[in-house]
Amino acid sequence: NAGVTQTPKFRVLKTGQSMTLLCAQDMNHEYMYWYRQDPGMGLRLIHYSVGEGTTAKGEVPDGYNVSRLKKQNFLLGLESAAPSQTSVYFCASSYRTRSADGKRVAQHFGDGTRLSIL
Amino acid sequence: EDQVTQSPEALRLQEGESSSLNCSYTVSGLRGLFWYRQDPGKGPEFLFTLYSAGEEKEKERLKATLTKKESFLHITAPKPEDSATYLCAVQAQIYNFNKFYFGSGTKLNVKP
Repeated sequence: NAGVTQTPKFRVLKTGQSMTLLCAQDMNHEYMYWYRQDPGMGLRLIHYSVGEGTTAKGEVPDGYNVSRLKKQNFLLGLESAAPSQTSVYFCASSYRTRSADGKRVAQHFGDGTRLSIL
Repeated sequence: EDQVTQSPEALRLQEGESSSLNCSYTVSGLRGLFWYRQDPGKGPEFLFTLYSAGEEKEKERLKATLTKKESFLHITAPKPEDSATYLCAVQAQIYNFNKFYFGSGTKLNVKP
């Protein structure tokens, strides 16, 4: 049972290049999220999905696109990378409904993708 | 403005020296408050959820409490393996979606 798996773990891009980050979860979670984590700023939501085939914008969506063609996968794309997108990207997933102990709605995170854009 | 603030930003303790971390929030429509632990190079790991003022949860040396405007994470007799960054997140219901507001974390360093 792997939980949430992110690939790649590290990547260096040049300004203007494009790439896709992959997130896969094996917990049958309905909700999936992409965050970026920058020093001193906490986790900020980029995009999210409440189910297969649906996506929505979070707090900082500009410069990113997402797709969720299968329930277990959530892709984050950078069409034309900029230095401001240098960050650590985390994918998370959760169930839609809560349990009494809160575990069911708590987010489960991958170990992140460290992205540097030169 | 919906906001979550954690203090202090960093905390250095000697092994066995108890202390508390604070998470204050100004989020309307609170549905739950979550504590996570994050180790270097790893994603956040779920610790506790609190839903109502007065609620308490415990796990080993950690105890989380909740009031109407803040939560505390109490660490009793910490050990070096408790060193990590502790994140607080507040869940709000936005239409039919669970939105989470994260604080920037408290970095805890426990020295032997």
